[in-house]
Amino acid sequence: GAVVSQHPSRVICKSGTSVKIECRSLDFQATTMFWYRQFPKQSLMLMATSNEGSKATYEQGVEKDKFLINHASLTLSTLTVTSAHPEDSSFYICSARGLAGGNINIQYFGAGTRLSVL
Amino acid sequence: DQQVKQNSPSLSVQEGRISILNCDYTNSMFDYFLWYKKYPAEGPTFLISISSIKDKNEDGRFTVFLNKSAKHLSLHIVPSQPGDSAVYFCAANIAGGGNKLTFGTGTQLKVEL
Repeated sequence: GAVVSQHPSRVICKSGTSVKIECRSLDFQATTMFWYRQFPKQSLMLMATSNEGSKATYEQGVEKDKFLINHASLTLSTLTVTSAHPEDSSFYICSARGLAGGNINIQYFGAGTRLSVL
Repeated sequence: DQQVKQNSPSLSVQEGRISILNCDYTNSMFDYFLWYKKYPAEGPTFLISISSIKDKNEDGRFTVFLNKSAKHLSLHIVPSQPGDSAVYFCAANIAGGGNKLTFGTGTQLKVEL
Protein backbone atom coordinates (compact mmCIF):
# COMPACT_ATOMS: atom_id res chain seq x y z
CA GLY A 1 0.00 0.00 0.00
CA ALA A 2 0.82 3.74 -0.11
CA VAL A 3 2.28 3.78 -3.60
CA VAL A 4 3.04 7.09 -5.25
CA SER A 5 3.79 7.18 -8.94
CA GLN A 6 5.70 10.06 -10.52
CA HIS A 7 6.16 10.64 -14.24
CA PRO A 8 8.27 11.20 -16.18
CA SER A 9 11.34 9.83 -14.45
CA ARG A 10 13.61 11.86 -16.64
CA VAL A 11 13.12 14.74 -19.01
CA ILE A 12 15.50 16.72 -21.15
CA CYS A 13 14.21 19.93 -22.65
CA LYS A 14 15.37 23.06 -24.37
CA SER A 15 15.61 26.33 -22.52
CA GLY A 16 12.35 28.27 -22.65
CA THR A 17 10.04 25.28 -22.83
CA SER A 18 7.62 24.15 -20.14
CA VAL A 19 7.69 20.77 -18.49
CA LYS A 20 4.87 19.04 -16.64
CA ILE A 21 5.50 16.44 -13.95
CA GLU A 22 2.69 14.25 -12.65
CA CYS A 23 2.35 12.75 -9.20
CA ARG A 24 -0.31 10.13 -8.52
CA SER A 25 -1.29 8.26 -5.39
CA LEU A 26 -2.19 4.81 -6.70
CA ASP A 27 -3.83 3.07 -3.77
CA PHE A 28 -4.93 5.82 -1.44
CA GLN A 29 -6.52 9.24 -1.56
CA ALA A 30 -4.10 12.04 -0.92
CA THR A 31 -5.53 15.16 0.62
CA THR A 32 -2.15 16.78 0.54
CA MET A 33 0.77 16.41 -1.79
CA PHE A 34 4.18 18.01 -1.48
CA TRP A 35 6.76 18.98 -4.06
CA TYR A 36 10.45 18.90 -3.23
CA ARG A 37 13.62 19.71 -5.05
CA GLN A 38 16.97 18.11 -4.40
CA PHE A 39 20.34 19.40 -5.55
CA PRO A 40 23.29 17.00 -5.74
CA LYS A 41 24.50 15.85 -2.34
CA GLN A 42 21.99 18.08 -0.57
CA SER A 43 18.83 17.56 1.37
CA LEU A 44 15.30 17.64 0.04
CA MET A 45 13.97 21.16 0.02
CA LEU A 46 10.23 21.66 0.20
CA MET A 47 8.97 23.83 -2.63
CA ALA A 48 5.23 23.82 -2.06
CA THR A 49 2.31 22.11 -0.41
CA SER A 50 -0.58 21.15 -2.64
CA ASN A 51 -4.06 20.62 -1.21
CA GLU A 52 -6.80 19.11 -3.31
CA GLY A 53 -9.18 21.73 -4.61
CA SER A 54 -7.28 24.75 -3.35
CA LYS A 55 -4.28 26.83 -4.24
CA ALA A 56 -0.85 25.55 -3.42
CA THR A 57 1.16 27.07 -0.62
CA TYR A 58 4.67 27.95 -1.70
CA GLU A 59 7.74 28.10 0.49
CA GLN A 60 9.67 31.30 0.78
CA GLY A 61 11.82 31.96 -2.24
CA VAL A 62 9.89 29.67 -4.60
CA GLU A 63 8.33 31.50 -7.55
CA LYS A 64 4.72 30.43 -7.87
CA ASP A 65 4.50 31.69 -11.44
CA LYS A 66 7.54 29.65 -12.33
CA PHE A 67 6.42 26.45 -10.67
CA LEU A 68 2.72 25.96 -11.29
CA ILE A 69 1.01 23.38 -9.14
CA ASN A 70 -2.39 21.88 -9.73
CA HIS A 71 -4.08 19.37 -7.43
CA ALA A 72 -7.28 18.66 -9.28
CA SER A 73 -8.21 15.38 -7.62
CA LEU A 74 -7.44 13.34 -4.55
CA THR A 75 -5.04 11.19 -6.53
CA LEU A 76 -3.25 13.61 -8.85
CA SER A 77 -1.06 16.66 -8.49
CA THR A 78 1.00 18.22 -11.25
CA LEU A 79 4.01 20.50 -11.21
CA THR A 80 4.69 22.56 -14.32
CA VAL A 81 8.06 24.21 -14.65
CA THR A 82 7.34 27.13 -16.96
CA SER A 83 9.91 28.60 -19.30
CA ALA A 84 12.57 26.30 -17.94
CA HIS A 85 16.17 27.46 -17.82
CA PRO A 86 19.38 25.57 -17.09
CA GLU A 87 19.33 26.67 -13.45
CA ASP A 88 16.02 24.79 -13.07
CA SER A 89 17.83 21.53 -13.77
CA SER A 90 17.39 19.42 -10.67
CA PHE A 91 15.77 16.36 -9.17
CA TYR A 92 12.11 17.00 -8.37
CA ILE A 93 10.27 14.66 -6.00
CA CYS A 94 6.65 14.59 -4.96
CA SER A 95 5.11 13.03 -1.90
CA ALA A 96 1.59 12.38 -0.73
CA ARG A 97 -0.13 12.22 2.61
CA GLY A 98 -3.31 10.22 3.01
CA LEU A 99 -6.69 10.75 4.53
CA ALA A 100 -7.35 10.10 8.21
CA GLY A 101 -7.29 6.41 9.06
CA GLY A 102 -3.68 6.03 8.19
CA ASN A 103 -0.74 7.80 9.79
CA ILE A 104 -1.07 11.32 8.43
CA ASN A 105 2.40 12.17 9.65
CA ILE A 106 3.97 9.90 7.06
CA GLN A 107 4.61 11.11 3.55
CA TYR A 108 5.05 8.61 0.76
CA PHE A 109 7.33 9.61 -2.05
CA GLY A 110 7.39 9.17 -5.78
CA ALA A 111 10.52 8.02 -7.56
CA GLY A 112 11.46 11.54 -8.62
CA THR A 113 12.00 13.32 -11.93
CA ARG A 114 15.41 14.31 -13.20
CA LEU A 115 15.00 17.50 -15.18
CA SER A 116 17.81 18.62 -17.45
CA VAL A 117 17.40 21.92 -19.26
CA LEU A 118 19.77 22.48 -22.14
CA ASP B 1 19.18 27.65 9.18
CA GLN B 2 19.49 23.87 9.23
CA GLN B 3 16.96 22.76 11.84
CA VAL B 4 17.62 19.07 11.31
CA LYS B 5 21.23 18.01 11.13
CA GLN B 6 22.98 14.81 10.29
CA ASN B 7 26.58 15.52 11.08
CA SER B 8 28.01 12.36 9.59
CA PRO B 9 27.86 12.49 5.81
CA SER B 10 28.95 8.89 5.55
CA LEU B 11 29.23 5.71 7.58
CA SER B 12 30.83 2.39 6.75
CA VAL B 13 29.85 -0.77 8.60
CA GLN B 14 30.62 -4.45 8.18
CA GLU B 15 27.83 -6.82 7.28
CA GLY B 16 26.20 -8.29 10.37
CA ARG B 17 27.28 -5.45 12.65
CA ILE B 18 25.16 -2.63 13.99
CA SER B 19 24.72 0.60 12.04
CA ILE B 20 23.96 3.68 14.09
CA LEU B 21 22.84 6.80 12.28
CA ASN B 22 22.46 10.00 14.22
CA CYS B 23 20.32 13.08 13.84
CA ASP B 24 20.08 16.29 15.86
CA TYR B 25 17.43 18.96 15.73
CA THR B 26 17.10 22.47 17.03
CA ASN B 27 13.39 23.24 16.86
CA SER B 28 11.68 22.18 20.09
CA MET B 29 8.32 22.35 18.31
CA PHE B 30 9.08 19.22 16.32
CA ASP B 31 6.95 16.40 17.67
CA TYR B 32 7.16 13.65 15.10
CA PHE B 33 10.28 12.17 13.55
CA LEU B 34 10.81 9.90 10.59
CA TRP B 35 13.62 8.04 8.90
CA TYR B 36 13.73 7.56 5.16
CA LYS B 37 16.05 5.51 3.01
CA LYS B 38 17.00 6.70 -0.46
CA TYR B 39 18.76 5.09 -3.37
CA PRO B 40 20.28 7.25 -6.13
CA ALA B 41 17.76 8.62 -8.63
CA GLU B 42 14.85 7.31 -6.56
CA GLY B 43 12.45 8.86 -4.11
CA PRO B 44 12.86 8.30 -0.37
CA THR B 45 11.28 5.19 1.13
CA PHE B 46 9.71 5.45 4.56
CA LEU B 47 11.43 3.24 7.15
CA ILE B 48 10.29 4.01 10.65
CA SER B 49 8.97 6.87 12.73
CA ILE B 50 8.52 7.95 16.31
CA SER B 51 6.28 10.34 18.15
CA SER B 52 7.74 12.71 20.70
CA ILE B 53 5.74 11.00 23.44
CA LYS B 54 7.89 7.91 23.01
CA ASP B 55 11.58 7.29 23.37
CA LYS B 56 11.87 4.11 21.34
CA ASN B 57 10.18 2.44 18.42
CA GLU B 58 11.20 -0.87 16.94
CA ASP B 59 10.33 -2.53 13.65
CA GLY B 60 12.26 -5.63 12.76
CA ARG B 61 15.92 -4.79 12.29
CA PHE B 62 15.25 -1.07 12.67
CA THR B 63 14.97 0.78 15.97
CA VAL B 64 14.66 4.50 16.42
CA PHE B 65 15.59 6.16 19.70
CA LEU B 66 14.53 9.65 20.69
CA ASN B 67 16.16 11.77 23.38
CA LYS B 68 14.03 14.87 23.64
CA SER B 69 16.14 16.61 26.23
CA ALA B 70 19.17 16.32 23.98
CA LYS B 71 17.14 16.95 20.81
CA HIS B 72 18.70 13.87 19.35
CA LEU B 73 17.46 10.78 17.59
CA SER B 74 19.21 7.77 16.21
CA LEU B 75 18.45 4.88 13.92
CA HIS B 76 19.90 1.48 14.73
CA ILE B 77 20.05 -1.24 12.10
CA VAL B 78 20.88 -4.70 13.39
CA PRO B 79 22.18 -6.76 11.73
CA SER B 80 23.32 -4.60 8.85
CA GLN B 81 23.00 -6.07 5.38
CA PRO B 82 24.58 -5.02 2.06
CA GLY B 83 21.13 -4.06 0.78
CA ASP B 84 20.95 -1.45 3.52
CA SER B 85 23.58 0.59 1.68
CA ALA B 86 21.82 3.84 0.80
CA VAL B 87 21.44 7.43 1.95
CA TYR B 88 19.40 7.78 5.13
CA PHE B 89 17.50 10.96 5.87
CA CYS B 90 15.93 11.89 9.15
CA ALA B 91 12.97 14.23 9.00
CA ALA B 92 10.80 16.05 11.48
CA ASN B 93 7.47 17.74 11.52
CA ILE B 94 5.40 19.95 13.77
CA ALA B 95 1.88 18.95 14.75
CA GLY B 96 -0.53 21.40 13.22
CA GLY B 97 2.19 22.68 10.94
CA GLY B 98 0.63 21.24 7.85
CA ASN B 99 2.75 18.12 8.27
CA LYS B 100 5.58 19.71 6.34
CA LEU B 101 8.70 17.67 6.75
CA THR B 102 12.07 19.22 7.46
CA PHE B 103 14.83 16.94 6.26
CA GLY B 104 18.37 16.48 7.42
CA THR B 105 21.23 16.43 4.94
CA GLY B 106 21.50 12.66 4.87
CA THR B 107 24.06 10.03 5.80
CA GLN B 108 25.46 7.67 3.20
CA LEU B 109 25.60 4.19 4.73
CA LYS B 110 27.82 1.59 3.15
CA VAL B 111 27.57 -1.95 4.43
CA GLU B 112 30.61 -3.94 3.43
CA LEU B 113 30.92 -7.68 3.07
